[in-house]
Amino acid sequence: AQSVTQLGSHVSVSEGALVLLRCNYSSSVPPYLFWYVQYPNQGLQLLLKYTSAATLVKGINGFEAEFKKSETSFHLTKPSAHMSDAAEYFCAVSLDTGRRALTFGSGTRLQVQP
Amino acid sequence: GAGVSQTPSNKVTEKGKYVELRCDPISGHTALYWYRQSLGQGPEFLIYFQGTGAADDSGLPNDRFFAVRPEGSVSTLKIQRTERGDSAVYLCASSSGTSGSGELFFGEGSRLTVL
Repeated sequence: AQSVTQLGSHVSVSEGALVLLRCNYSSSVPPYLFWYVQYPNQGLQLLLKYTSAATLVKGINGFEAEFKKSETSFHLTKPSAHMSDAAEYFCAVSLDTGRRALTFGSGTRLQVQP
Repeated sequence: GAGVSQTPSNKVTEKGKYVELRCDPISGHTALYWYRQSLGQGPEFLIYFQGTGAADDSGLPNDRFFAVRPEGSVSTLKIQRTERGDSAVYLCASSSGTSGSGELFFGEGSRLTVL
């Protein structure tokens, strides 16, 4: 069975500081991995996805994530946080099998302090 | 519309009542998903449609929950004899492909409160 663990339900950084949101996955076969962002009162929006091409994936709004098979990780980073990055971030995994749904982590709420 | 549309955005009902939540996916998307998101949790998979048929309903918690997609477009999630524990945001998503690598496009959700 596939699963996703997000370490840290809340992360607080200062504006301009590095953002690091952690995600570890469990999967018996090579997975597809995603990061979604949810702003207040809005739907989930795709930030980036890993689909077995390049291990370093660049997404929208300056975010990127690196797939590390040896560590079963897919951590999300951004070099310099903006106030507008404050939101809830979800890591998700999918297997290219008959069950095509995403399995989500429990989320990490990012706060950006001025 | 351009995105996934869900109605109602908010629904308050009493314990034991019947509720219907509607999802209008992006035009042309063949795959449609329902998720449930409780406070402080990530979205939890309920059911997946490919066209008109439910390809995977393993996430439905019990037989009080049912979903249909009769014409392969709009879907309705139906909850009978609602319980307080059903209170959550119900999310709908759609996608164009059949591959697990495809992006899901989410609606803003229907917030259900059972009193």
